[in-house]
Amino acid sequence: QLRLQESSPGLVKPSETLSLTCTISGDSFTDASYPSYYWGWIRQPPGKGLEWIGSIYYSGGTNYDPSLKSRVTISVDTSKNKFSLKLSSVTAADTAVYYCAAGFVRDLFDYWGQGTLVTVSS
Amino acid sequence: EIVLTQSPGTLSLSPGERATLSCRASQSVSSTYLAWYQQKSGQAPRLLIYGASSRLTGIPDRFSGSGSGTDFTLTISTLEPEDFAVYYCQQYGTSPTFGQGTKLEIK
Repeated sequence: QLRLQESSPGLVKPSETLSLTCTISGDSFTDASYPSYYWGWIRQPPGKGLEWIGSIYYSGGTNYDPSLKSRVTISVDTSKNKFSLKLSSVTAADTAVYYCAAGFVRDLFDYWGQGTLVTVSS
Repeated sequence: EIVLTQSPGTLSLSPGERATLSCRASQSVSSTYLAWYQQKSGQAPRLLIYGASSRLTGIPDRFSGSGSGTDFTLTISTLEPEDFAVYYCQQYGTSPTFGQGTKLEIK
């Protein structure tokens, strides 16, 4: 069983960079487990639906939503059991609950963090 | 980008009834890459169905998925009180997208 927990920056100012980290844990999760999973970020604006942001694969490859691609970077730090999201030049439209997620199949999410609300406001 | 349109937006039913939720894609989706999630208020989504019709381990058999091409359906055969939630379809092909959701509420 995999457990995921997002960090919580809470408030980010417009035009700044949103940075989130997802900490990975689990009873049998080890460094050797990384290649078994695909990792992703999804967000949900208040009262709205789910939006896929991007994913990173065990090969190191990444895939981003075309509308966010120019502003998004996702990376994995296997030594610290974490993967991260950076979203630059944020505006109020980026206010949302951000979820980290993982699964055994590319972009299919079996495991989810609890989500963290990020508000973009001055 | 493949746009997924879910209908109805809201479905009002009573426990014990049958629920049929629709997901229509703007272009053909391989059945291998269509999933359904359930989201309860204040919680993260939960994967129910993948590959259009395969239930994740531990998901009750009252949940079933079907469809191909551009038309997919999630059916809940006999609604239990805990099934009232928002349901999202997702295609997880080249550039994943989600539908806008169907809210299943108690009548």
